[in-house]
Amino acid sequence: DGGITQSPKYLFRKEGQNVTLSCEQNLNHDAMYWYRQDPGQGLRLIYYSQIVNDFQKGDIAEGYSVSREKKESFPLTVTSAQKNPTAFYLCASSMWESDTQYFGPGTRLTVL
Amino acid sequence: GIQVEQSPPDLILQEGANSTLRCNFSDSVNNLQWFHQNPWGQLINLFYIPSGTKQNGRLSATTVATERYSLLYISSSQTTDSGVYFCAVGTRMNTGFQKLVFGTGTRLLVSP
Repeated sequence: DGGITQSPKYLFRKEGQNVTLSCEQNLNHDAMYWYRQDPGQGLRLIYYSQIVNDFQKGDIAEGYSVSREKKESFPLTVTSAQKNPTAFYLCASSMWESDTQYFGPGTRLTVL
Repeated sequence: GIQVEQSPPDLILQEGANSTLRCNFSDSVNNLQWFHQNPWGQLINLFYIPSGTKQNGRLSATTVATERYSLLYISSSQTTDSGVYFCAVGTRMNTGFQKLVFGTGTRLLVSP
């Protein structure tokens, strides 16, 4: 079944801890993206990657880090430097020449 | 940066009613997408519609790029249409990357 998977679905973190959110796609898409959604708000871009071993900061990259070692995988680490990490995180992917982005089911992160 | 405004922010309908959702944007764009976010958070692509009109079943969309707005029509609404509808517009940056900017959404509740 082709698509984008994110894990875990729910994640709880203590203050001061780093956590890593997984995003995998088997659509053979070139580009991958991470967005953050806060209650009642739209999505904001954290990081994006056009190709393997390359990634760029989005609008709200502070306190986050990513890697792109494989085409299918784009994990996001929420570091202890992120002041308000509680949010819904969505991963997306697209073909580079296509403007249409497809989204995973999301990970809901709560800091205790 | 580009601004995206959606209206109305909230909409309550009886099953079977029709509705129109509006998206205004502040600058020229080369990409406009409509998404539906279901109550579990999954974002589903509805339309890629930088200009013109498209229809898919009970849903249709029209974008008038020269006047910087897009409309999403929902006819004969069903309870499964409930959720949040997002408009996202894209601008291509110097690197070739297509950045999507999301509106804050229209929250739709369809009651039986």
